[in-house]
Amino acid sequence: GDSVTQMEGPVTLSEEAFLTINCTYTATGYPSLFWYVQYPGEGLQLLLKATKADDKGSNKGFEATYRKETTSFHLEKGSVQVSDSAVYFCALSDHNNDMRFGAGTRLTVKP
Amino acid sequence: EADIYQTPRYLVIGTGKKITLECSQTMGHDKMYWYQQDPGMELHLIHYSYGVNSTEKGDLSSESTVSRIRTEHFPLTLESARPSHTSQYLCASARQGMNTEAFFGQGTRLTVV
Repeated sequence: GDSVTQMEGPVTLSEEAFLTINCTYTATGYPSLFWYVQYPGEGLQLLLKATKADDKGSNKGFEATYRKETTSFHLEKGSVQVSDSAVYFCALSDHNNDMRFGAGTRLTVKP
Repeated sequence: EADIYQTPRYLVIGTGKKITLECSQTMGHDKMYWYQQDPGMELHLIHYSYGVNSTEKGDLSSESTVSRIRTEHFPLTLESARPSHTSQYLCASARQGMNTEAFFGQGTRLTVV
């Protein structure tokens, strides 16, 4: 079945460092791809999405490009802030258009 | 901002009690989901619904039950709570169609003592 594999954490960075969280997927057909963020004590919020190959999703300085050839959707940010500390989930919409989530990656940014 | 609400936010309850976790959305979404989130963060789908009177079990076996009598309401019930039910429960909704994202409530943190 469709699935998402994302980089295990936790990830700890200093403020202003470059962030990459890897995400790869397995799917039949052409899924849409998503990154969600979960701040402490909260539910998940959509961070960005891409619906077809070579699309780039972006929001709040985060970016991810839908790479069909490598079945990847890696999350990047050029300069992280303490306020970016959260758990990040990669997800896809499967053949039923239901969401499949990766295991989550916890990011801690230190001042 | 998404209009999906979960109550209560936090609940501490004794073993053997019956509990209902509430989830409501005002977006008219047909699809609704319940996830259980373990301390390791991973989300496990335990129930979903594609519309009124539709309910299905998810990937993770759960002793809970759900109902979908109205589009906007998708409550989850545990008939007899046990310590193993202690977890974070997240409700989500999505509209029908391609490329649609899910919207999440803030979650209910359940502790069974």
